[in-house]
Amino acid sequence: DAKTTQPNSMESNEEEPVHLPCNHSTISGTDYIHWYRQLPSQGPEYVIHGLTSNVNNRMASLAIAEDRKSSTLILHRATLRDAAVYYCILRGNDFGNEKLTFGTGTRLTIIP
Amino acid sequence: DTGVSQDPRHKITKRGQNVTFRCDPISEHNRLYWYRQTLGQGPEFLTYFQNEAQLEKSRLLSDRFSAERPKGSFSTLEIQRTEQGDSAMYLCASSRRGGGNEQFFGPGTRLTVL
Repeated sequence: DAKTTQPNSMESNEEEPVHLPCNHSTISGTDYIHWYRQLPSQGPEYVIHGLTSNVNNRMASLAIAEDRKSSTLILHRATLRDAAVYYCILRGNDFGNEKLTFGTGTRLTIIP
Repeated sequence: DTGVSQDPRHKITKRGQNVTFRCDPISEHNRLYWYRQTLGQGPEFLTYFQNEAQLEKSRLLSDRFSAERPKGSFSTLEIQRTEQGDSAMYLCASSRRGGGNEQFFGPGTRLTVL
């Protein structure tokens, strides 16, 4: 399984932008970059995903490096409800490679 | 609510007992996944189905674990002769086929084995 590397923890001030980095130097050409987050006592929640181009949705933006070996999840204006563990995951598109392989993620703390 | 549901939400059992959990996925999703999460760790993949066919099982899934999806709709995960090490959150997720589709997770079933 392709692996990702994330910082264990990050802090950000409320209402400030947050940039969560992820390295995935062994990514294959067919791997999608997925981000999920998990709030305390809840199941993981999908945030965003992309393949090659930068992506935006109502929750966040995903910036993908040109060589696809790294990506950054951008929360444009952090709120207290964004405090969670954020997981960067590579998800294959081949039969049998669609499961999610979670690492330990980045624990994001929002400072009021 | 058309999300993924799991039942029960909490289960406390004594070592050696059998337990069964149920997952109801989003109706149009043909993929269904089971994960297990212990405290401080990310979820770990256990097994997944496409419709009623079980396509992959993790090495974490010992002989005491069995999962079914009999009609390609809901799924059950059974643990026989539970051990204290089975204590964890068991998560179910569903999705459409393909790596470009997101997985939708249920709230999980928290198992405590005494």
